[in-house]
Amino acid sequence: EAGVAQSPRYKIIEKRQSVAFWCNPISGHATLYWYQQILGQGPKLLIQFQNNGVVDDSQLPKDRFSAERLKGVDSTLKIQPAKLEDSAVYLCASSPEGRSNQPQHFGDGTRLSIL
Amino acid sequence: DQQVKQNSPSLSVQEGRISILNCDYTNSMFDYFLWYKKYPAEGPTFLISISSIKDKNEDGRFTVFLNKSAKHLSLHIVPSQPGDSAVYFCAASPESSGGGADGLTFGKGTHLIIQP
Repeated sequence: EAGVAQSPRYKIIEKRQSVAFWCNPISGHATLYWYQQILGQGPKLLIQFQNNGVVDDSQLPKDRFSAERLKGVDSTLKIQPAKLEDSAVYLCASSPEGRSNQPQHFGDGTRLSIL
Repeated sequence: DQQVKQNSPSLSVQEGRISILNCDYTNSMFDYFLWYKKYPAEGPTFLISISSIKDKNEDGRFTVFLNKSAKHLSLHIVPSQPGDSAVYFCAASPESSGGGADGLTFGKGTHLIIQP
């Protein structure tokens, strides 16, 4: 079974530029999550999708971050404009739908550096 | 306000001995607890989980203990092996019956070093 795929693996941009990350979840997983992991911290949830609907985006900085999952499979996370404090690893995770207490499976992340 | 706390940033254990990693939480709504293992430049890998209706779950060399009244859980690895050297994250979520908000809240991690 293929795992969660993310691209790119690394991205370096200057502050105030825009950037987008892509995630393809495990086949058949209806729930998709984006997390932000700042150096020295644990991952922090940004947004949760169930199919193509948003379940929880309470911790997403909506003035600069946006995410979509139009067809209920792949997802993109965008930052516009980027700030220095956005330097982090962005992790995508997925889990099966409709079953309680299922572990989330993570991709290897995109490491974003803001200059 | 940190809802999941791992108070030991690092832990060094001799190969073959038991490794015990600890985690405390403050949110009474948490009902499902997980441990993840992370190597550098890789995503977290699921290790073991426990539901709040249990106090112990075992999988091979890994055992997780939950003390709900103390809001404390621990991960035991025995015997410890060199490949166990990694960062271990404790995570928690409210119980989800499918479709609800069940994003994980993570601790800051404990770097486990297994010495030969």
